[in-house]
Amino acid sequence: GENVEQHPSTLSVQEGDSAVIKCTYSDSASNYFPWYKQELGKRPQLIIDIRSNVGEKKDQRIAVTLNKTAKHFSLHITETQPEDSAVYFCAAPPPGGYQKVTFGIGTKLQVIP
Amino acid sequence: ETGVTQSPTHLIKTRGQQVTLRCSSQSGHNTVSWYQQALGQGPQFIFQYYREEENGRGNFPPRFSGLQFPNYSSELNVNALELDDSALYLCASSLVAERNTGELFFGEGSRLTVL
Repeated sequence: GENVEQHPSTLSVQEGDSAVIKCTYSDSASNYFPWYKQELGKRPQLIIDIRSNVGEKKDQRIAVTLNKTAKHFSLHITETQPEDSAVYFCAAPPPGGYQKVTFGIGTKLQVIP
Repeated sequence: ETGVTQSPTHLIKTRGQQVTLRCSSQSGHNTVSWYQQALGQGPQFIFQYYREEENGRGNFPPRFSGLQFPNYSSELNVNALELDDSALYLCASSLVAERNTGELFFGEGSRLTVL
């Protein structure tokens, strides 16, 4: 089964700075890597995902990079804003089971105005 | 387009009781997954239903069971409740299709407290 480790567990940044969250996975067959954001008291929502056939994907201020050799992928948030404050979860679901996702403990990001 | 809805939003039960949680999937979705999220933890996969059958299960005991109906809505049943079952239960719907995006659409959850 999948085993994903996420670092750091908490992260505080000044507004405008960048934030980076890193995940490592164990199953070399994994080929889909989503990131979910959960604001306090709200539902998790997909913010970006990447498949193993690309090394980077960008969507405005957020980007995800993937290193399949090292089996890690990272979420990058640039020009952080207070509304980026949330818990972020990564996952590496098994091939053919993209929706059978188990999330790690997550990273609590606090953006300080 | 209707999103994922869950009921009830909050409920309190005592140890040993049984509970049923309900979920209506997003319009056009054919798959429902259930997750348990304890306080300060990430959502943990309980099971998934596709075409009214269980299609994968996480590390949860048999007292966690479910159903999916022809309209793709779903129920989660938990028997013999234990204190550790206190959590937010999230339902997520998705579309299993040839080009599977993998995106899960979560409901707001049902917060269960077991006393």
